[in-house]
Amino acid sequence: DTAVSQTPKYLVTQMGNDKSIKCEQNLGHDTMYWYKQDSKKFLKIMFSYNNKELIINETVPNRFSPKSPDKAHLNLHINSLELGDSAVYFCASAKREANTEAFFGQGTRLTVV
Amino acid sequence: QQPVQSPQAVILREGEDAVINCSSSKALYSVHWYRQKHGEAPVFLMILLKGGEQKGHDKISASFNEKKQQSSLYLTASQLSYSGTYFCGTGTFGNEKLTFGTGTRLTIIP
Repeated sequence: DTAVSQTPKYLVTQMGNDKSIKCEQNLGHDTMYWYKQDSKKFLKIMFSYNNKELIINETVPNRFSPKSPDKAHLNLHINSLELGDSAVYFCASAKREANTEAFFGQGTRLTVV
Repeated sequence: QQPVQSPQAVILREGEDAVINCSSSKALYSVHWYRQKHGEAPVFLMILLKGGEQKGHDKISASFNEKKQQSSLYLTASQLSYSGTYFCGTGTFGNEKLTFGTGTRLTIIP
């Protein structure tokens, strides 16, 4: 069983479109994240949720809206896609305690054309 | 703000040693280390919690200097399988704000 699964794996879309990426974890973790990895390979945190409550919103444009229907799911909806949104988006989850590791999904490669 | 890693990239021959450093401008409670191979997700290596703590398994170990807000990852007698990009991740009291460093690309050549 995949611990953290995100879909789709690849997403190619035109500028201006709206798209969603889904993430689910079956580890019973309290905390879920979205990270953006750009062409320079920087792994930047976008959002962090704990038990469905937003903890971090790292100066992400309003076009990005995370939604957590329950603590096992954290979806990412992006409105009015721009060329600069092209990147690999990783979902991850962890227990809240600091001495535990984070598990990552396989990533979604988003290409905006 | 992202922790800063150094060096940004390093190329080694098999069997050589490497040190990757991670510095934060914020007080740290924990430091994670992950390795990411090309086209894959980051994979956990280890976590350090206490100041001055050292950990290791096999030929990869790490240290954490809480006072200096720094951590270092040591790779001894590197193998081809060690190639990838290494990230440190820093947290506050819990994992709610797990922020990753700028990354270090390690290339091991035969």
